[in-house]
Order: sequence, then structure tokens, then C-alpha cells
Amino acid sequence: NAGVTQTPKFQVLKTGQSMTLQCAQDMNHEYMSWYRQDPGMGLRLIHYSVGAGITDQGEVPNGYNVSRSTTEDFPLRLLSAAPSQTSVYFCASRYRYKNEKLFFGSGTQLSVL
Amino acid sequence: LAKTTQPISMDSYEGQEVNITCSHNNIATNDYITWYQQFPSQGPRFIIQGYKTKVTNEVASLFIPADRKSSTLSLPRVSLSDTAVYYCLVALLNRGSTLGRLYFGRGTQLTVWP
Repeated sequence: NAGVTQTPKFQVLKTGQSMTLQCAQDMNHEYMSWYRQDPGMGLRLIHYSVGAGITDQGEVPNGYNVSRSTTEDFPLRLLSAAPSQTSVYFCASRYRYKNEKLFFGSGTQLSVL
Repeated sequence: LAKTTQPISMDSYEGQEVNITCSHNNIATNDYITWYQQFPSQGPRFIIQGYKTKVTNEVASLFIPADRKSSTLSLPRVSLSDTAVYYCLVALLNRGSTLGRLYFGRGTQLTVWP
């Protein structure tokens, strides 16, 4: 099992550009989520999904879109990047119905100039 | 979901026992407590989880008093490699229909000195 795979590892964008951060898991986890991490702010939840076709907002959803068309994939879309979205982004997954831990990807470092 | 409060930072020396306490005053009956560890440039990883009393594994111990309004992560004989951020997380126990927003907060930066 590869676990949770995030791509790319690093990305530089210009203000106003769009891009998609990819997240895939091969553990058949129903629950997937996106966090951003900024210095001194810990991990803040952006969006999450409890299954294909079901998504909901977290603490800081503005500026981000998600969709969940398959169990395996949960992409995060930035429609018009802003410097405030410069951050490290982590994807995480777990079983929805089992008392299980969260598995995290290795992160994507995003810089918006 | 119950929010948590942890110290922002702690310092220790190699070989000492470290105890990090997390407050979760609004914990619900069906909530369990989980701790994660995060090294720089890595995603968090699971350390330990418990519901009540004491849980121990090969890495740490978790102490939960009877009222469950707080929990203490205990790391025995820390080394330099234990320098990391530690997060306390409170979430619903095995209730898939309401599992959703898992809030991590700011965590506790533990620095171990030689």
C-alpha cells in the first residue's frame, strides 16, 4: 500500500492562477480531508468528505473547492490563487465507521507570488 | 466537536519524562482522545488513542482522569528525536454519520535539549 499520496510536493503560482492539488489513497478510506498549515497556526481544516459525492466545509474553506467522484481521490482546487494561500497543504484519510487513526500525506508546499 | 487547549511549547532534556496536558472541557460521552506527532516537513502521525483511564503502547502513555476533561500524554525518557509538535485531538467514537470536522489546533512544540 502506498498510503496517502499527494502531488505535487512543491508548487509556485502567480496571483490569479488556478491549480489542483492532488490526493489519492489506496486504503479504501471513506473519509478524506484537507488541512493547511501556516507557521504558528497548527493545522486548519479546509474541506472534508465522508464518501464519494459528499463534501463539506471545514474552518477555512474560502478560496478552495473540492469534489469527490471516487473513493480514492480527493483533489483540492484553487480557482484564483492569492498570496494568503501560501501554505503547506496536507491531505488525510481514515475509515469513516471504524475507530481508526488518520493517515496523512507528505504535504504540498505552495507559494503564491 | 470538543475543542482542545494545549501549551504552545515545552522544553526538556534528554532522558527526562515529558508530560503534555490537553484540556477538553466540552468532551462528549462518545468522544475519544487521540494524540499525533509531527516532525518538520512531514505530515502528522498517530501516537496513541484512548477513551478513559490509562493506555500505554511502545511509544507513550496516555492518562485520562475520570471526568475526561483533560488528558496527559507521557513520553518516557525523551531523546533529541522526540523534538516535534504534538497535537491532541478529540473526536466522535465510531459514529460515521457525524464524523466530519476533526480539528487539530496549534499543538505543543516540544524541544528536547542535549
